[in-house]
Amino acid sequence: AQSVTQLGSHVSVSEGALVLLRCNYSSSVPPYLFWYVQYPNQGLQLLLKYTTGATLVKGINGFEAEFKKSETSFHLTKPSAHMSDAAEYFCAVSEGIRDDKIIFGKGTRLHILP
Amino acid sequence: DAGVIQSPRHEVTEMGQEVTLRCKPISGHNSLFWYRQTMMRGLELLIYFNNNVPIDDSGMPEDRFSAKMPNASFSTLKIQPSEPRDSAVYFCASSFRTAMNTEAFFGQGTRLTVV
Repeated sequence: AQSVTQLGSHVSVSEGALVLLRCNYSSSVPPYLFWYVQYPNQGLQLLLKYTTGATLVKGINGFEAEFKKSETSFHLTKPSAHMSDAAEYFCAVSEGIRDDKIIFGKGTRLHILP
Repeated sequence: DAGVIQSPRHEVTEMGQEVTLRCKPISGHNSLFWYRQTMMRGLELLIYFNNNVPIDDSGMPEDRFSAKMPNASFSTLKIQPSEPRDSAVYFCASSFRTAMNTEAFFGQGTRLTVV
């Protein structure tokens, strides 16, 4: 069965600094990987996804993530943090064509310091 | 499209009462998921349907929980009887499965409080 580990339940960065949110996954088949963002009192919104092909994936709001099979990682980055990036971020995995089930990590709350 | 629609947005009920949460997926989507979000356990998958058929309900915590999908445009999650530990935000999500895509679109959630 697939699983996701997000390192750090809280991450704080200064405005303008690099954002790095870590995600490691486990999957018995080639995975589909996702990053979602959740703002307070709202549902989850897709930031970006990896299915096949190019391992560096670009998403909305300047975020990107790189699929590294050898490291079973899918870390999320953004070169320069903005105050509006403060939210909770979830990494998720599915077993692609084999199974629709999408399993989420426990989330990382991103704090932006002025 | 209006997106995934959940109702009610908030529900407060007394312990022992029956609670029914409702979800209307995005038109044309063929998979539907129910998740529960709590501070302690994060976002847990309770059950998911494909083409209205329950595929995996291993996340349903106990027999007090049941879910149905009578047609492609409607699903319910029922808790009977409800307990205070069921207090959480319940999300419904839907997706259209293709060979290259299984991303889920989420509703706004139902915040359930059992007192």
